[in-house]
Formats: sequence, C-alpha cells, structure tokens
Amino acid sequence: QSTLSQPPSASGTPGQRVTISCSGGPSSIGSNAVNWYQHLPGAAPKLLIYSNDQRPSGVPARFSGSKSGTSASLAISGLQSEDEADYYCATWHDSLSGVLFGGGTKLTVL
Amino acid sequence: QVQLQESGPGLVRPSETLSVTCAVSGYSISSGFYWGWIRQPPGKGLEWIGNVYNTGTSYRNPSLKSRVTISVDTSKNHFSLTLKSVTAADTAVYYCARQGRGYGYDYWGQGTLVTVAA
Repeated sequence: QSTLSQPPSASGTPGQRVTISCSGGPSSIGSNAVNWYQHLPGAAPKLLIYSNDQRPSGVPARFSGSKSGTSASLAISGLQSEDEADYYCATWHDSLSGVLFGGGTKLTVL
Repeated sequence: QVQLQESGPGLVRPSETLSVTCAVSGYSISSGFYWGWIRQPPGKGLEWIGNVYNTGTSYRNPSLKSRVTISVDTSKNHFSLTLKSVTAADTAVYYCARQGRGYGYDYWGQGTLVTVAA
C-alpha cells in the first residue's frame, strides 16, 4: 500500500478528546516512524509529533501520538478552538524511497 | 533560530520550467540534515516533492521524478527546486523545510504560491 489513509474530517467540542487515525502498510508505517503536522490556513505546517510519539519543544502535552503495526493515531485532549486546523500524518515509504503524506484531516471545534 | 525563505516567480507559463529557491539562515546546510520541498495545490493536501543533502544526494517523489531536479549550493546556504514542463496541475504553494529528528520537517518556510497559467 503506497498511500496513507486519514479520515477527511473530525470534530469535537471544547474540552473533549479527539483522535485522528492514519493507516498505512508494511513498507510505510509498518517499517518507519510517523510524524504529525498541524496546518492552519495561511500558515506553514507545524511539526506536532515526530518519531511516533515525541513532541518537539513548545508543543503542548495535550497533543500525543501513538503507533501500532501499520497504523498510527494523533490524540488531542482538552480540545481548544485554536486547534481547528488540518492535520497530516507522514512517514517514509521503503519501496518508493520517499515521504508519504496522508490526505489530511480537517478538525472542526464545534 | 533556523529560518527558511522561499523565492519564486509567482507565475509560470504552461510547458515552461518552474524554479524556486530556499534561502536558509541560522543554520549551515553544510552541517547536515536533509532539506525538502513540499507543495499544496489549492484545496488539496500536502504532497512531498523531494529532499536533498548537502552532498547533492537527493530523493524525489516517483510521480514527479522525471521532471524534478533538486540542488544545493552550500556556499550560498540555499537549495533549489526545478520542475520542468509544468501544467495547471502544478499550481500550488511550494514550501521548503528542514528534515530533522525522526525525519520530521521541523522548520518550514512560509511558502510561495506559484501559478501555472498562460
């Protein structure tokens, strides 16, 4: 499988916990670490999670990542209005020798 | 603080060549890391174009490989993207970024919109 599948949309109310899934295959997520990006309109994408579950300096602890087999998830707890953005997973694909991005998930805070 | 800044033509005619450069400040490309290009067509998601190392070694998206060249100039501390034979489908915001820990892109430019139109 040479794609990463994400749900096109997700939503939640302030304070809730939401999760976004990312499904790949043995040559992508199954063999490599997953990174997550937050993309606000008009801004550059921002690295939220690297190496499956690591947060760069400055990223709040309410963002967390996990990986199991050929799937990964991003969890956002204590949802805030400023979390409304597009979220992308990404990883290396061994056979393609390149980076794959998921199709993106648009998160709406109701 | 690492900063990246893209510069591009804004408008390119169909069948011509698109060239975008990324100037890096606050970090020497010669010191390491891969440096990448990612684009986002209007209304669509992120698409990886390719990466380059300071030696000139590059990896390119197989779907674009025949049209893409990614080069690096360590003396100017910048790297460049060239895309040949462009069509309207190449209209996008083009981002440059540094691929850091865990192969995540940790520093990004603000992006430059390149429109392909006659």
